[in-house]
Amino acid sequence: AQSVTQLGSHVSVSEGALVLLRCNYSSSVPPYLFWYVQYPNQGLQLLLKYTSAATLVKGINGFEAEFKKSETSFHLTKPSAHMSDAAEYFCAVRGTGTASKLTFGTGTRLQVTL
Amino acid sequence: DTGVSQDPRHKITKRGQNVTFRCDPISEHNRLYWYRQTLGQGPEFLTYFQNEAQLEKSRLLSDRFSAERPKGSFSTLEIQRTEQGDSAMYLCASSLRAGDYNEQFFGPGTRLTVL
Repeated sequence: AQSVTQLGSHVSVSEGALVLLRCNYSSSVPPYLFWYVQYPNQGLQLLLKYTSAATLVKGINGFEAEFKKSETSFHLTKPSAHMSDAAEYFCAVRGTGTASKLTFGTGTRLQVTL
Repeated sequence: DTGVSQDPRHKITKRGQNVTFRCDPISEHNRLYWYRQTLGQGPEFLTYFQNEAQLEKSRLLSDRFSAERPKGSFSTLEIQRTEQGDSAMYLCASSLRAGDYNEQFFGPGTRLTVL
């Protein structure tokens, strides 16, 4: 079964600093991986997705993620954090069954300080 | 295209009462999902519809839970005899059955509080 592990439930960075949120996956087949962002009391918004077309994936709001098969990782990065990036971030992997349901990590809360 | 909508956004109920939530997916999407998210956790899959057919249910979905999608458009999720452990955010998502990655679009969720 597919699964993802997010290391670090809370990450704090200064405004303008690099953002790095970690995600490692476990999958018996080539995975489809996603990063979602959730603002307080809202649903999830897709940031980016990996579908095997390219290992470096660019998403919205300046975020990108690199798929590394050798490390089974799909870490999310942004060169320069903005206050508006403060939110909860979830990594997810798509299942292989008919439902193609998503399995999410436990999330990383990003705090951005002045 | 107004995105996925859910109603109500918040629901407070007493233990033992029944509650029903509604989800309206993006109009051309034929796949619809329900997830549950408890505090400090990621969403967990509950059930999935393709058009009006409910094709998969998680073991998390006890007998007190029932979901329908009668005409392949909107869906309802009912919880009977609510328990305090049912308190959570209930998220609905929809997608097209197209492509390999099945991008799911999420609604804003219904936050349930059982007193």
